Amino acid sequence: QKEVEQNSGPLSVPEGAIASLNCTYSDRVSQSFFWYRQYSGKSPELIMSIYSNGDKEDGRFTAQLNKASQYVSLLIRDSQPSDSATYLCAVIKAGGYQKVTFGTGTKLQVIP
Amino acid sequence: DGGITQSPKYLFRKEGQNVTLSCEQNLNHDAMYWYRQDPGQGLRLIYYSQIVNDFQKGDIAEGYSVSREKKESFPLTVTSAQKNPTAFYLCASSIPPGRENYGYTFGSGTRLTVV
Repeated sequence: QKEVEQNSGPLSVPEGAIASLNCTYSDRVSQSFFWYRQYSGKSPELIMSIYSNGDKEDGRFTAQLNKASQYVSLLIRDSQPSDSATYLCAVIKAGGYQKVTFGTGTKLQVIP
Repeated sequence: DGGITQSPKYLFRKEGQNVTLSCEQNLNHDAMYWYRQDPGQGLRLIYYSQIVNDFQKGDIAEGYSVSREKKESFPLTVTSAQKNPTAFYLCASSIPPGRENYGYTFGSGTRLTVV
């Protein structure tokens, strides 16, 4: 079982719709969760972080964390073609160096 | 503007050759990292450094070496012992985990190809 799992996609949504991206993690002691956006050929950029159960909203983005079920999701409201990218989920486990583990990413395509 | 600069953007390595990838940051971050990204495999940690003059192996350190003589600089050498070096290499830096606004800042990457 991978430490951080994401569906590779592509996830296709029409412009203006809500895109829902999901991520599950295997280690229950994971404590910090991040979503990065990576455009093709570019480096990742941090868009959201979440540390406690529940929802966290930032503009059109909402991160949701459910530690009991070990999943974290990212909702993108009013999706735009410029949101088309690969979204990487990243998790930090507790203890020691607090290593960041990345998922392989979900490719999102927003269709105009 | 603060940020991380990686150079070169593209690098071609001949068989048996060592090459060095540059990473410089002016964010005053203590921690720096090197990742390798291959298609379908996500980011894999090569080396990391939490403080000057100290660094640790990541998950795939074999065939790579680093140094951290200055806070701002964390160069990565891909040695001839790395048998499959063709990949996209990403350098990142961060403040210590647990602080508000923690997260990686990535450089623009170096695409290394064996010729």
